[in-house]
Order: sequence, then structure tokens, then C-alpha cells
Amino acid sequence: LAKTTQPISMDSYEGQEVNITCSHNNIATNDYITWYQQFPSQGPRFIIQGYKTKVTNEVASLFIPADRKSSTLSLPRVSLSDTAVYYCLVAPTDSWGKFQFGAGTQVVVTP
Amino acid sequence: NAGVTQTPKFQVLKTGQSMTLQCAQDMNHEYMSWYRQDPGMGLRLIHYSVGAGITDQGEVPNGYNVSRSTTEDFPLRLLSAAPSQTSVYFCASSYKPDSYNEQFFGPGTRLTVL
Repeated sequence: LAKTTQPISMDSYEGQEVNITCSHNNIATNDYITWYQQFPSQGPRFIIQGYKTKVTNEVASLFIPADRKSSTLSLPRVSLSDTAVYYCLVAPTDSWGKFQFGAGTQVVVTP
Repeated sequence: NAGVTQTPKFQVLKTGQSMTLQCAQDMNHEYMSWYRQDPGMGLRLIHYSVGAGITDQGEVPNGYNVSRSTTEDFPLRLLSAAPSQTSVYFCASSYKPDSYNEQFFGPGTRLTVL
């Protein structure tokens, strides 16, 4: 399983863009990169997943460089409700099961 | 759909007691998992299942048992509770189209072992 490294915390103001970078130097060829969001006292919620280049949905964008050794989750124009812990996971989709959540990144958005 | 449901929401046990945490999903997902989350930490995988009758160990399986007799249910059994098992337990389920690792999580069970 590829080990991931993320910043422990990030602070932002409402309306700003937040970019969280995850390092995964030993990512394997068949690994996908997945991001989850977790609010206090709730289970994590899937945000976005990608393999390479850029993926965008209604919530976030995921940028993955060509070497795939890192990835960046971008949250556009954050609001107070985006205050949460964000987890980066790297796992293969052809052998489902063994996921490793790291410590995550605590994002705090203030007015 | 109710999604992933977990019972109970809260539980207090004494050391040495046993209990079963219940998890059910109504989305016909083949894949289910149990995680524990200690304060300020990420989630750690306890056990998982890729279908009825098939289970496997995760990162921290000691002290826990699972079985998967139906697609819908995936109970987690604590055999002899210890204070180190005080944690929040999350159950998750997943369908698996070609290239998705999306897991749907339940609301969690907060367990305290005295």
C-alpha cells in the first residue's frame, strides 16, 4: 500500500481557494487517488477520485502531475461549512479492501 | 434508501464483556468494511468483506470477529472488551464498478470500555 503524507492543518478565509497537497511517492501503476471529507461526529464522505491529470466535479478539483507522486485537492471559494478533515487515500481498484487513511488535514475556514 | 445504518449509536462496556456492533446497508453493495477511529486520528481498517461468506483482516483485527452471512449485514463482534478498544467504529459499504473506491460510511458507534 502506498503511504501518503499530508499537512496536518490549513487555515483559510471564506471565499478563498484551498489547495491540499498529498505526497505518495511509491504509488503503484494500478493505484487510484481518492479524497474523503469528514465532519466531526460523522463518517467520512467521498469527494473525488482520479488517476492522472485533472478531475473536476461540483465540489472540488483534483490535480495529478504526470509522475503521479503527489496530488492536490482544490476547494474553490470555501465557506464555513467546508471546515473538516480531508483524507487522501491511494489504493488499487482491482483488489478492493485494504485502504489506509492517514491522519488527514484539518481545514479551518474562518469568516 | 437508508444507506448504511449502525446500531447502537453509543455503548458503554465493562472490561471483559462481549458485544456485537451491527451494520446494515440497503444498497446491495458487495463490499463492506469496519474501521475504528481513535481521538484525533485517522481511520484504521479492522476487517472487510468482498461478498457474502468472504471476509479478510485489515490493519488492526485483533480482538474482533466478523462474519458475512448476507449481502446486507456485516456485524462486528468484540470478544472480550478492553479499554484499548474505546473508539468510534465506522462501517462502510461500496459497490465496485470499474474504477471506483467510493465507500459509503455509516454514522458510527461510539464505544467506551471501562
